[in-house]
Parts: sequence; C-alpha cells; structure tokens
Amino acid sequence: GQSLEQPSEVTAVEGAIVQINCTYQTSGFYGLSWYQQHDGGAPTFLSYNALDGLEETGRFSSFLSRSDSYGYLLLQELQMKDSASYFCAVKGNQGGKLIFGQGTELSVKP
Amino acid sequence: DTGVSQDPRHKITKRGQNVTFRCDPISEHNRLYWYRQTLGQGPEFLTYFQNEAQLEKSRLLSDRFSAERPKGSFSTLEIQRTEQGDSAMYLCASSVDTELMYFGPGTRLTVL
Repeated sequence: GQSLEQPSEVTAVEGAIVQINCTYQTSGFYGLSWYQQHDGGAPTFLSYNALDGLEETGRFSSFLSRSDSYGYLLLQELQMKDSASYFCAVKGNQGGKLIFGQGTELSVKP
Repeated sequence: DTGVSQDPRHKITKRGQNVTFRCDPISEHNRLYWYRQTLGQGPEFLTYFQNEAQLEKSRLLSDRFSAERPKGSFSTLEIQRTEQGDSAMYLCASSVDTELMYFGPGTRLTVL
C-alpha cells in the first residue's frame, strides 16, 4: 500500500520561512510532488522531485531524500496569499496515478 | 485552450438518483484522472485513462461508479443509486505523460 504523512496545520507570520514535511511509504516510487489548493479552488502544481536534493522555484523549494522516504516544501518570504492547503503526492510507478497526503493547512498571519 | 473544464460545477440530487459528470481535458493531454475530495482531506484517486483506455480503477470504487473516455478526449463519470456518502467534490485532471497534472474546478455533489 501507499501512505503519506504531513502535519495537519502550520501557522507562520508574513515574511517568515516555513517548512512542511512529508514522509511516505510506497511499494514503488517515481517521485514526490507538491500541490497548492486555496479554499474553493482546484489543486495547482508547485514542484516535483524525482531525485535526491533541492529544487528551487522562486520563493518555493522542495527537497527529497529517497533513502529516508522524506521530503519537504520550503516557502520563503511568506505572503498572505500563501495561506492555503499544501499536499504532497507520490507517484508509485511511471505514468501512474498520484497518491495525495491529507494536506497541511498553512495560515499566514500579518 | 483555457484548461480543464468540468460540468456541472454543482449538482444536488436525491438519494437513489443517478448522476453524470463531464470532464474536458486540455486538448493535447493523453492522460485523464478522476479524484474525489471531501472537506479537509486530500484528493482520493478514483480512476485514470490513457487515451481511451481505462488503466486503473481504485479498489475503493464500488460498482455504482463507472467512467468512460470513448474517443480519448472528454470523459464522463457516472454514479448510480447515489448515497449520502457520495457527497464530495469530484475533480478531474489531465496531463501529458509528465508529472504535472492540471486540475479542473471540480463538480460539487450534494446528495440529500
């Protein structure tokens, strides 16, 4: 089977840095993705890691350690608009489905 | 192309009725996915297609659920004999053999 664990909620202040962790257990592994979802909106793609290391895209970075079955999403220079739910998702085989975690609700305070 | 579209956006039905949802993916995308999401939870995989072939269906999906993608373009998801537990947001997504999935706005189903 496949399972992912991430914190249910995180609170941070504007301008700060926050890290959202994700650990996974899968029978196969083809990569770890991160999606953002605002209230009432659809999930939107943020980043993807297939290999160990850090991927940076503007204020957002994502890290993967395959040996530890662990990854994280790092959000820098937090803005109020970053308040949303963030999901990690694992692809168990090439071309297959994504399995999503339960999501982390991020609240950014002024 | 403006992205993945879904119709209807909202559906209210009585228990026991059948409902059908439609998804139009981004035109050149060969993969199409259906997910279900309830409040406070992550999207739960239902099924996915590569072109017109249904490659995988969740074991959680009862026989009341069926999906088609007859010409490898749009897809329909039908729920027969709806139950209150079927109330959820039904999300469609498409991709082109990549890790980047584009989600539609979803169809919110309420079963009374």
